[in-house]
Amino acid sequence: DAGVIQSPRHEVTEMGQEVTLRCKPISGHNSLFWYRQTMMRGLELLIYFNNNVPIDDSGMPEDRFSAKMPNASFSTLKIQPSEPRDSAVYFCASTRLGQGYTFGSGTRLTVV
Amino acid sequence: GQQLNQSPQSMFIQEGEDVSMNCTSSSIFNTWLWYKQDPGEGPVLLIALYKAGELTSNGRLTAQFGITRKDSFLNISASIPSDVGIYFCAGPYSGGSNYKLTFGKGTLLTVNP
Repeated sequence: DAGVIQSPRHEVTEMGQEVTLRCKPISGHNSLFWYRQTMMRGLELLIYFNNNVPIDDSGMPEDRFSAKMPNASFSTLKIQPSEPRDSAVYFCASTRLGQGYTFGSGTRLTVV
Repeated sequence: GQQLNQSPQSMFIQEGEDVSMNCTSSSIFNTWLWYKQDPGEGPVLLIALYKAGELTSNGRLTAQFGITRKDSFLNISASIPSDVGIYFCAGPYSGGSNYKLTFGKGTLLTVNP
């Protein structure tokens, strides 16, 4: 089991640029979650998918953020245009049947 | 929104000491989860609790689901340097579906060899 795979591990980009974060969930897991972690706010749920369908995106901070899950093995989180306050660690997690999540190693995003 | 209050925010202890941390919720939970995050990695599930009063152990870790269903406790006995990390409690959003979890702000544990 390769676990939840996120890429890239680190991303440094200039303000205004588009950023795409990628996630491959564990095979057989039917739910996928995107979280953002900052010192100030801790772990915040941005959006989650069930069977590839977005169920709740109420945590997405602004229209600049969008997420897709075109199939059961791939999801993206896109920020366009990026801003310095988007700097954070973004985690993807997956689960099956409401069991505890398995998190990826995260993408550390720095927007300068 | 739903609040999970975790305490203490940080702890600095000597190797061999026992550690206790807790988490309280503004609403009733039917599940409590405890995670540990190592530096540079994602959180990893340590213990899951599903019933009020439940006491569950995982090696040197012991967690309890509070009787009121609004709190949970995690204890680590005889700490070692690799216990260093951030410990998070988590529970279902609004006490409902286990699909959507809310996390506490975490307890940062430092162990001095």
